[in-house]
Amino acid sequence: AQSVSQHNHHVILSEAASLELGCNYSYGGTVNLFWYVQYPGQHLQLLLKYFSGDPLVKGIKGFEAEFIKSKFSFNLRKPSVQWSDTAEYFCAGGRYQKVTFGTGTKLQVIP
Amino acid sequence: DVKVTQSSRYLVKRTGEKVFLECVQDMDHENMFWYRQDPGLGLRLIYFSYDVKMKEKGDIPEGYSVSREKKERFSLILESASTNQTSMYLCASSTTSGGLNEQFFGPGTRLTVL
Repeated sequence: AQSVSQHNHHVILSEAASLELGCNYSYGGTVNLFWYVQYPGQHLQLLLKYFSGDPLVKGIKGFEAEFIKSKFSFNLRKPSVQWSDTAEYFCAGGRYQKVTFGTGTKLQVIP
Repeated sequence: DVKVTQSSRYLVKRTGEKVFLECVQDMDHENMFWYRQDPGLGLRLIYFSYDVKMKEKGDIPEGYSVSREKKERFSLILESASTNQTSMYLCASSTTSGGLNEQFFGPGTRLTVL
């Protein structure tokens, strides 16, 4: 069965630190990958997505992710986090219209 | 802006009650989804619908049913609520145009079953 796994459940960083959140998927063949973010008290919203083409994808708010097919990975990165990045981050992947979400990573940024 | 609205933000029900959660989207999206979100488990798909009157089971459909009589509305039904259905329920919609697309989420309904 298709699956998406996130290895970091809770990450605490100081402001200006660099961020990398891991995501691995188990699909074979073509796969579409997403990162969503849920800020405290807000809706889930899309950060970025990968369908094909350039494996380095840029999203909103300075986030980027790299699709590495050989490692089945789609890690999320940001060079310098801000307090406002405190949120829960979800990796997701799928084909057709069904998407599987990872268990989420809670990021806490300390001022 | 796409808007996905859910009928209630908070709901408290008793064990055995029939519960209806309503979701409406205003972007003419073909696909609609119901998830439950639990700490440490992420989002788990309950049911989805890719057209009016069409539905597909997700990963955890037991104890739930759905109804989609109109394109913009997707209802989740708990036939007989149980305490293990206490959770945050999220509705989402997406378009089919161009393939697999991002989902737009509603604010969620926090359901407590006593």
